[in-house]
Amino acid sequence: GAVVSQHPSRVICKSGTSVKIECRSLDFQATTMFWYRQFPKQSLMLMATSNEGSKATYEQGVEKDKFLINHASLTLSTLTVTSAHPEDSSFYICSARDMRTGELFFGEGSRLTVL
Amino acid sequence: GENVEQHPSTLSVQEGDSAVIKCTYSDSASNYFPWYKQELGKRPQLIIDIRSNVGEKKDQRIAVTLNKTAKHFSLHITETQPEDSAVYFCAASRYGGSQGNLIFGKGTKLSVKP
Repeated sequence: GAVVSQHPSRVICKSGTSVKIECRSLDFQATTMFWYRQFPKQSLMLMATSNEGSKATYEQGVEKDKFLINHASLTLSTLTVTSAHPEDSSFYICSARDMRTGELFFGEGSRLTVL
Repeated sequence: GENVEQHPSTLSVQEGDSAVIKCTYSDSASNYFPWYKQELGKRPQLIIDIRSNVGEKKDQRIAVTLNKTAKHFSLHITETQPEDSAVYFCAASRYGGSQGNLIFGKGTKLSVKP
């Protein structure tokens, strides 16, 4: 099946630094990708919808200046957590929609720990 | 906007028994309802989905039913096995799944005891 690769899978950073997470569709093109945040034992909370070549659409309550999203190509979207704080520690997961079939595939997730 | 409620939050069954997880949604325009299985620390995997023009869909031990009038849909797992243990999420979308985003339920942790 189609593969969505997310990198890094784990990252530990100091408070105040920025962290970039990549989401790549390896064998299909995706005009739309989604970024989710998942706290332990909780559901996937949609943060934003990433559209290739245009600005991301953020969900209510998500700070767009803190969570920068770039979708510069049909196979790559990035999420940058700027000036990270311990409360930003979480599991971040992306999904990508195959523009040919409409199917949605998830990345493996990235566990961010901010010290 | 859409709101998806999922019950129960935890479910424990004996191997071989059936498990049922129920979800309700609020947006009558929603027309695509997938179910995902997520093992600890791993990505969600689509296990079955149903569209609003269908009332029931089955794939081996897994089945999903949809009641559009009542706005609820359910996941049924028969002959459960220990490897079915995971967190299951229901979701709803009003764009047929081909665009737009999915709104997820809070998840059900299923434990299948040998």
